[in-house]
Amino acid sequence: EPEVTQTPSHQVTQMGQEVILRCVPISNHLYFYWYRQILGQKVEFLVSFYNNEISEKSEIFDDQFSVERPDGSNFTLKIRSTKLEDSAMYFCAGTRGRPITDTQYFGPGTRLTVL
Amino acid sequence: AQSVTQLGSHVSVSEGALVLLRCNYSSSVPPYLFWYVQYPNQGLQLLLKYTSAATLVKGINGFEAEFKKSETSFHLTKPSAHMSDAAEYFCAVSNRDDKIIFGKGTRLHILP
Repeated sequence: EPEVTQTPSHQVTQMGQEVILRCVPISNHLYFYWYRQILGQKVEFLVSFYNNEISEKSEIFDDQFSVERPDGSNFTLKIRSTKLEDSAMYFCAGTRGRPITDTQYFGPGTRLTVL
Repeated sequence: AQSVTQLGSHVSVSEGALVLLRCNYSSSVPPYLFWYVQYPNQGLQLLLKYTSAATLVKGINGFEAEFKKSETSFHLTKPSAHMSDAAEYFCAVSNRDDKIIFGKGTRLHILP
């Protein structure tokens, strides 16, 4: 069964550094999402992406964050200048159709640790 | 704004006993509701979803949930717990847009 993959599984970085989290969605998916989960807290929506543009974003997704799908397969989340509070598990997800009518498939996550 | 509240961050049940994980929602419009499961070191997997059809929704692995509008609840149940059910469970709500709002999760422990 096809699955969503994410790399790296764990990323450690210094505060102020840029990080890029990578996701390879299932090949026939059209809608893509990033979520994060701070340790012990709930999963939070960050951004949705469709047709090469952001369709919705949360208040968490400020100017430090960006997403792109550079080559039609990878879907990346960039944090330009990491802060301590960016430490979290980041999940990528995708659907073929809208998530209300279609199932979101999640990747295993990337644990980001900002020191 | 929509939200979900999951009662109990940890729930323990004996193997073979009833599993009941509680979720209450808040939404200004008729919601869509979801239950997801997360096994260790894995991503979230959809167990079931309610999209305004039948109020009793059956999902994978023997789980089901009932939408009760009068109680604003969407509790998850399974008649007989299995050791493999040990995981974290997330209730989620959507106002029919592309954003899904998750609860804080309930970790289910199965006692032998």
